[in-house]
Amino acid sequence: DAKTTQPTSMDCAEGRAANLPCNHSTISGNEYVYWYRQIHSQGPQYIIHGLKNNETNEMASLIITEDRKSSTLILPHATLRDTAVYYCIALSLLSGGYNKLIFGAGTRLAVHP
Amino acid sequence: EADIYQTPRYLVIGTGKKITLECSQTMGHDKMYWYQQDPGMELHLIHYSYGVNSTEKGDLSSESTVSRIRTEHFPLTLESARPSHTSQYLCASSPTPTGTHGYTFGSGTRLTVV
Repeated sequence: DAKTTQPTSMDCAEGRAANLPCNHSTISGNEYVYWYRQIHSQGPQYIIHGLKNNETNEMASLIITEDRKSSTLILPHATLRDTAVYYCIALSLLSGGYNKLIFGAGTRLAVHP
Repeated sequence: EADIYQTPRYLVIGTGKKITLECSQTMGHDKMYWYQQDPGMELHLIHYSYGVNSTEKGDLSSESTVSRIRTEHFPLTLESARPSHTSQYLCASSPTPTGTHGYTFGSGTRLTVV
């Protein structure tokens, strides 16, 4: 699976949009971009994933560049409860789904009042 | 409501003891995983299973062992606990194909070996 690069930390004011970037310049055509977050020391929580089209759900939006070398996770109205470590992971769904989710260091997002 | 359960949530145990961390899921997922995470550090995959009687070691070497006798159950065992095993252990599962929600994680077991 392709390696991803994220900033170590980011800050965001409560109520503002949080835009978390991720670089995945070596991503292959069959790899999806998955986003998870980990609040304090809880188990990671799935947020969203996408292949090449932009995606939106009740939690966030995912914007993937046309060349697929980078993406941005958008939390439209950040709250204090969104303070967490956010992980961007490239994951292949080929081979019958026999993949392994490998975590990097992620981005530590701090939402402040 | 959690569909993957880990017990105990916290465990403090003495050196040399044998321990088993339990992980069960009710979603019928065929794939299950164990991750280890030290405080403030990255998650590392230590074991995974793609189905009953199938287990593999992950990317991080671990002295623990696992078994998969039933689809819903994936326990992790330490034969002789040491202080270096102090960490948080997270269990996860996913269906085949992986599906729209990827992996589902449990709440973790925080192990302290004294």
